[in-house]
Amino acid sequence: GENVEQHPSTLSVQEGDSAVIKCTYSDSASNYFPWYKQELGKRPQLIIDIRSNVGEKKDQRIAVTLNKTAKHFSLHITETQPEDSAVYFCAASNSWGKLQFGAGTQVVVTP
Amino acid sequence: DAGVIQSPRHEVTEMGQEVTLRCKPISGHDYLFWYRQTMMRGLELLIYFNNNVPIDDSGMPEDRFSAKMPNASFSTLKIQPSEPRDSAVYFCASGVQETQYFGPGTRLLVL
Repeated sequence: GENVEQHPSTLSVQEGDSAVIKCTYSDSASNYFPWYKQELGKRPQLIIDIRSNVGEKKDQRIAVTLNKTAKHFSLHITETQPEDSAVYFCAASNSWGKLQFGAGTQVVVTP
Repeated sequence: DAGVIQSPRHEVTEMGQEVTLRCKPISGHDYLFWYRQTMMRGLELLIYFNNNVPIDDSGMPEDRFSAKMPNASFSTLKIQPSEPRDSAVYFCASGVQETQYFGPGTRLLVL
């Protein structure tokens, strides 16, 4: 089955700096890669996703890149703000709809 | 749209008791997922349904866990008998194909 590894496990950044989280996956059949943000005590919320026919996708201050050859994808957050502090999860899925989640990255944005 | 609805939001019970968690998916979504989240094991997929039919229950820990989806607007996850190690946050998610939207979760504490 699919295995997703996520790094780093914790990330501390100064407000205004950029944050990058990286994930690798094992199943070459995976074709859908969402990112979720989970604030303390809340539900995971979908913030951006990318499909295998696209190399990069942007939505305001967040972007995701995908390298299918290397089987890795990354989340980039620019101009970080305190409200970006949360746990971020990457995931990968093949066409069967079953998501395999990474272990999560705790992002702390310090003012 | 109210999003995915789960009840109860919090449950405290004693070891050996039966626990039933409930989920109402987003209308029109044909996939429903049950997850468990703990600090030690992260987000684990327990079971998922497509068009009310269980597709993959390989994540269900043991026979004490069972899930049903009698119709497109309702699902239950039952633990009988409950044990302290079942303490976790249980999320229901619904979706169309790969895209999944999480409910607010049920925080379960088994004493």
